Amino acid sequence: QVQLQESGPGLVKPSGTLSLTCAVSGGSIGSSSWWTWVRQPPGKGLEWIGEIHHSGSINYNVSLESRLTISVDKSKNHFSLQLTSVTAADTALYYCARRRPRVGATGGAYMDVWGKGTTVSVSS
Amino acid sequence: DIVMTQTPLSSPVTLGQPASISCRSSQSLVHSDGNTYLSWLQQRPGQPPRLLIYKISNRFSGVPDRFSGSGAGTHFTLKISRVEAEDVGVYYCMQGTQSPWTFGQGTKVEIK
Repeated sequence: QVQLQESGPGLVKPSGTLSLTCAVSGGSIGSSSWWTWVRQPPGKGLEWIGEIHHSGSINYNVSLESRLTISVDKSKNHFSLQLTSVTAADTALYYCARRRPRVGATGGAYMDVWGKGTTVSVSS
Repeated sequence: DIVMTQTPLSSPVTLGQPASISCRSSQSLVHSDGNTYLSWLQQRPGQPPRLLIYKISNRFSGVPDRFSGSGAGTHFTLKISRVEAEDVGVYYCMQGTQSPWTFGQGTKVEIK
């Protein structure tokens, strides 16, 4: 079955760039699914960051769009997140997840596979 | 953005007793295709979220049948028929009808 694993630096300096990668195993990133980033600030709830389809289509949360880049590398079966000009407010547990499309045999627009998450702290 | 509001925020429950969580959306979650994309996730302590229910009432693979979802339009409910110790955690509703996808603030289920 599909598994996801986040990786990247655990500490980023203020005004720097947060870069994370999510490796997809047990399945192809070229499926009909959307590959998604979600974050969870300490002690708080879940915030959808954005997502990408293997075709290159992208959806970003407008609140982060000006600082955000999500990309996909089909040859490496992984997708990535870059968030620029970070502040302490970007400190969070970052998850990658698979979001099923609305339609199709597995349709439903739900997030059914999640990585374990990686903690990113923004601090000098 | 569609705002998802859950109540209660905390639910102390006796083992073996039922629990119920409400989720309301700021606008209808009925998509133009006629489906309602409301799902429920469980986050056990120290774990990533886990999908329980999708499209209001469909239990995901491997989810015990003590979990059930219901509702329509803007009001949805997750019920646990008999709470077990492994059900402790935070439960989130999530809408997949209109981007940006949004989550409720979470309801903490704990044992009395």
